[in-house]
Amino acid sequence: DSGVTQTPKHLITATGQRVTLRCSPRSGDLSVYWYQQSLDQGLQFLIHYYNGEERAKGNILERFSAQQFPDLHSELNLSSLELGDSALYFCASSGGASGGNQELFFGEGSRLTVL
Amino acid sequence: GEDVEQSLFLSVREGDSSVINCTYTDSSSTYLYWYKQEPGAGLQLLTYIFSNMDMKQDQRLTVLLNKKDKHLSLRIADTQTGDSAIYFCADHNQAGTALIFGKGTTLSVSS
Repeated sequence: DSGVTQTPKHLITATGQRVTLRCSPRSGDLSVYWYQQSLDQGLQFLIHYYNGEERAKGNILERFSAQQFPDLHSELNLSSLELGDSALYFCASSGGASGGNQELFFGEGSRLTVL
Repeated sequence: GEDVEQSLFLSVREGDSSVINCTYTDSSSTYLYWYKQEPGAGLQLLTYIFSNMDMKQDQRLTVLLNKKDKHLSLRIADTQTGDSAIYFCADHNQAGTALIFGKGTTLSVSS
């Protein structure tokens, strides 16, 4: 158990809909990262938050947004869903903001299926 | 931009050595990493190497780093069926604010 909790574990929805994925980081970790894993693209970095502020953006679509709340949990919002958004979405946490030897602790992922 | 490339599949027999290779583009990273993903689970850090090292050994794992060629490899000695998983090479982005992963190498171990 990594200490990172993601909900829901599975989600099935239709094209055009909007969903919210939730992540609780390990106790004491200030950084939260979101990644998308699909068969063709591999593991793509989406976005990084540190202590409530956005630190880095990766290949995140404009239809997607995220935030980190004062209690450090994070939500990833996916809107106007398309078939190609079907993937496994991972949240990871770490203690620091950047640099150094940063071990990331991953949740078990939220599997999104768009029909 | 930053890029990390790996071969996608490797199949070995139990007891053999496995070698998983990776190339990366950002040469400013202080650390490079190997993560392991078992079926139905998230990624877990397997090992890492400091960029001023050429080699790191940790029990059955050996990591080799060739900075000149930007090449990283992971050798698993005496590979077991329990080593079957996806192995990801990871490097920091240029700003050092996120880890960039390769697409992962699926290691299949047959008995």
